[in-house]
Amino acid sequence: DQQVKQNSPSLSVQEGRISILNCDYTNSMFDYFLWYKKYPAEGPTFLISISSIKDKNEDGRFTVFLNKSAKHLSLHIVPSQPGDSAVYFCAAQSNFGNEKLTFGTGTRLTIIP
Amino acid sequence: DADVTQTPRNRITKTGKRIMLECSQTKGHDRMYWYRQDPGLGLRLIYYSFDVKDINKGEISDGYSVSRQAQAKFSLSLESAIPNQTALYFCATSDGIAQGSYNEQFFGPGTRLTVL
Repeated sequence: DQQVKQNSPSLSVQEGRISILNCDYTNSMFDYFLWYKKYPAEGPTFLISISSIKDKNEDGRFTVFLNKSAKHLSLHIVPSQPGDSAVYFCAAQSNFGNEKLTFGTGTRLTIIP
Repeated sequence: DADVTQTPRNRITKTGKRIMLECSQTKGHDRMYWYRQDPGLGLRLIYYSFDVKDINKGEISDGYSVSRQAQAKFSLSLESAIPNQTALYFCATSDGIAQGSYNEQFFGPGTRLTVL
């Protein structure tokens, strides 16, 4: 049973435009949501997080929005740059589960120059 | 130098062989994790350890075992490898999180394992 889902396996966006990556979850007990970025032949690296008590967190070009009623979060990248081309994983953390992370299936983002 | 290292980076083996994947970290973190990544399935937790004497099963521990030899070392073993264990394996570390904070994990570069 996939508790964290990323329904778009891939996304292509023109350089300079906005990239929007989506993530849905089923467990209302998640306390934090994290986004990780992964380049080929490297491990995932942390990008940005949001607490379940917030609806928005911004860090430079990256903003994450959380809609708890819809159990949905999204990562916005503005403006998109070629270096943003990577696989993005959404992850959810429950503080009642030894703070383990549950990962989504990933979305491959390609920025077109 | 990398904070989290994994050896080997690539391994091809045959069904029934015993395989050990090793992970070392210089971050001084207490918590260490093993994940596998499969196409279309994301990262799934195999085992995790919060200190040398604490080992816990993750969601897909069957067919795997682990050893926490020291704070800095966490090894994953496949006692008798099978083809559906072909995957990309990642080790990760994290510090003990502050109350009400998030659990940022730091990943190694991965080991690509192929079981024929």
